[in-house]
Amino acid sequence: AQTVTQSQPEMSVQEAETVTLSCTYDTSESDYYLFWYKQPPSRQMILVIRQEAYKQQNATENRFSVNFQKAAKSFSLKISDSQLGDAAMYFCNFCASDGKLTFGTGTRLTIIP
Amino acid sequence: DGGITQSPKYLFRKEGQNVTLSCEQNLNHDAMYWYRQDPGQGLRLIYYSQIVNDFQKGDIAEGYSVSREKKESFPLTVTSAQKNPTAFYLCASSVSGLADNSYEQYFGPGTRLTVT
Repeated sequence: AQTVTQSQPEMSVQEAETVTLSCTYDTSESDYYLFWYKQPPSRQMILVIRQEAYKQQNATENRFSVNFQKAAKSFSLKISDSQLGDAAMYFCNFCASDGKLTFGTGTRLTIIP
Repeated sequence: DGGITQSPKYLFRKEGQNVTLSCEQNLNHDAMYWYRQDPGQGLRLIYYSQIVNDFQKGDIAEGYSVSREKKESFPLTVTSAQKNPTAFYLCASSVSGLADNSYEQYFGPGTRLTVT
């Protein structure tokens, strides 16, 4: 069984600054995908970024990037130039070979103007 | 517009009654999923379906039932056997879930169920 751990229940960052959200996971699989989703107050779940485990290069998507350390089973999300619209719950997710997503418990990100 | 719709947004039921939550998608996705979200917790998988007329139990299937008679639809019934049904329920779909986990899941807006 896969597990995903997000050790930071809450984080805050000044607007325009950079913040990093942590995520670790546990699996015996070698081929899988990792995702970060955000859930704003509207509760609509939105994909932020994804990483294929077989790729060594870290994924980037505009202001969002990941630090993927496969051996350490770590998958952190870095948000640069934080904006007020980035305020949300962020969930780290693991997608196994059977297509099932396992979610972490989330990190609530607050942006301080 | 392609997407996933869930209705209603808010649902209220009396204890002991079964209730069915609707989930429809027009993305032509093969796989569909139901999740439950409780405060302070991530999403937990209730049921998922990779193809029409087939579905599998997730991590917390007890007290729930589903059907997948059409590709576009994956309704969830919360039965009276579910001990703590009050929660936020999210439906999702993906291009394919079987042996191909490269596609992200697209989520509906959710249904907030309150049972008193």
